Amino acid sequence: EVQLLESGGGLVQPGGSLRLSCAASGFTFSSYAMSWVRQTPGKGLEWISTISGSDRTDYADSVRGRFTISRDNSKSTLYLQMHGLRTEDTAVYYCAKRSTRSPGNVIYISEDDWGQGTLVTVSS
Amino acid sequence: DIQMTQSPSSLSASVGDRVTITCRASQSISGYVNWYQQKPGQAPDLLIYAASHLQSGVPSRFSGRGSGTDFTLTITFLQPEHFATYYCQQSHSAPYTFGQGTNLEIK
Repeated sequence: EVQLLESGGGLVQPGGSLRLSCAASGFTFSSYAMSWVRQTPGKGLEWISTISGSDRTDYADSVRGRFTISRDNSKSTLYLQMHGLRTEDTAVYYCAKRSTRSPGNVIYISEDDWGQGTLVTVSS
Repeated sequence: DIQMTQSPSSLSASVGDRVTITCRASQSISGYVNWYQQKPGQAPDLLIYAASHLQSGVPSRFSGRGSGTDFTLTITFLQPEHFATYYCQQSHSAPYTFGQGTNLEIK
């Protein structure tokens, strides 16, 4: 059974930093791309970053240059280092396992399994 | 960025009903759409990928259709556990944007 367990959320002041972790189990971690998705009551679900099994990274414009996604395959753990936090970064942050499938020889991606989320609150 | 517009934003239905939720992309995205279900206090669950392919373990009451810019999620014979919020997501290109959600409520 796939399990994803986020940690590291909390209250931080604007301009501060925080590192989120996501411990994975139940699958071959190194074989899968992993994503971070956040959710706010006002903006709904927002994909923010993905890292491939070979460490290729992708970011939403809203976090590029401030957030860094990384992974440690030896520990089956995904990270999100967040700097320069803003009040609008307040959200529940989910890590998710990304699957790639190819029905009809076209590659499709989806976030198949999600953690329970960790709340980040940016406030003075 | 590709915008995903869901309708309706909320929907009231009864157990046993058939409902359809629509998602429209701001540009053609072929079949690159996923659908998720989210219950209060829980993470989203993948229902459908590639517009019409059922995720393993998802009952066949759920079905998806569409290509290009217009997509639908249909749930037949609504059960109490289906009352939740549903989101579409485009997987065509980054940023992988979501619709704003459809809150399915019991009438």
